[in-house]
Amino acid sequence: GAVVSQHPSWVICKSGTSVKIECRSLDFQATTMFWYRQFPKQSLMLMATSNEGSKATYEQGVEKDKFLINHASLTLSTLTVTSAHPEDSSFYICSASSGVRETQYFGPGTRLLVL
Amino acid sequence: QKEVEQNSGPLSVPEGAIASLNCTYSDRGSQSFFWYRQYSGKSPELIMSIYSNGDKEDGRFTAQLNKASQYVSLLIRDSQPSDSATYLCAVNRPTGGGNKLTFGTGTQLKVEL
Repeated sequence: GAVVSQHPSWVICKSGTSVKIECRSLDFQATTMFWYRQFPKQSLMLMATSNEGSKATYEQGVEKDKFLINHASLTLSTLTVTSAHPEDSSFYICSASSGVRETQYFGPGTRLLVL
Repeated sequence: QKEVEQNSGPLSVPEGAIASLNCTYSDRGSQSFFWYRQYSGKSPELIMSIYSNGDKEDGRFTAQLNKASQYVSLLIRDSQPSDSATYLCAVNRPTGGGNKLTFGTGTQLKVEL
């Protein structure tokens, strides 16, 4: 149980384009989904928290207009990196929680390379 | 003081030995504690959760929690080379944190043949 998927697993795009990443909880309803970013050899950095049907809450320093988050259902959240630039290249990981004791289950991650 | 502190390592142990990973946290109100394993280039996977003082065992893994001392540890018995990874300690944020977790920077474990 508690399986979270992400799509795509890899994406390469040109600078200035937008990229959408999907995060799905496959066997449970996720009341909350989280989006993290991880640069090489660094720790996880929480970008934003999204609850189904409401606006995402962004961490300090994360541009909400650049990283658009939609949590349309209890099993799907999307992160759109708008007008991506090379410095946005990173490993983006989502996690999902059903709210039970704050346990988070992570997706496999999406590696983004912006040329 | 960091909210969740871990020794970055690397911690090297021989195959078959017990690996002991430690974590301290600053917020006394924290109630939920987690250990995640992250292989290089992969996302974290949940190993253990613990909520009450004492020990919790699951196979070769034992989590220990001491709220008075604000530390949580993970013991890995009969360590295998496949246990080589970074282990992340995570603690819930009880004050206005909703169900967010605060992660430590991780301890790199190397199990040597």
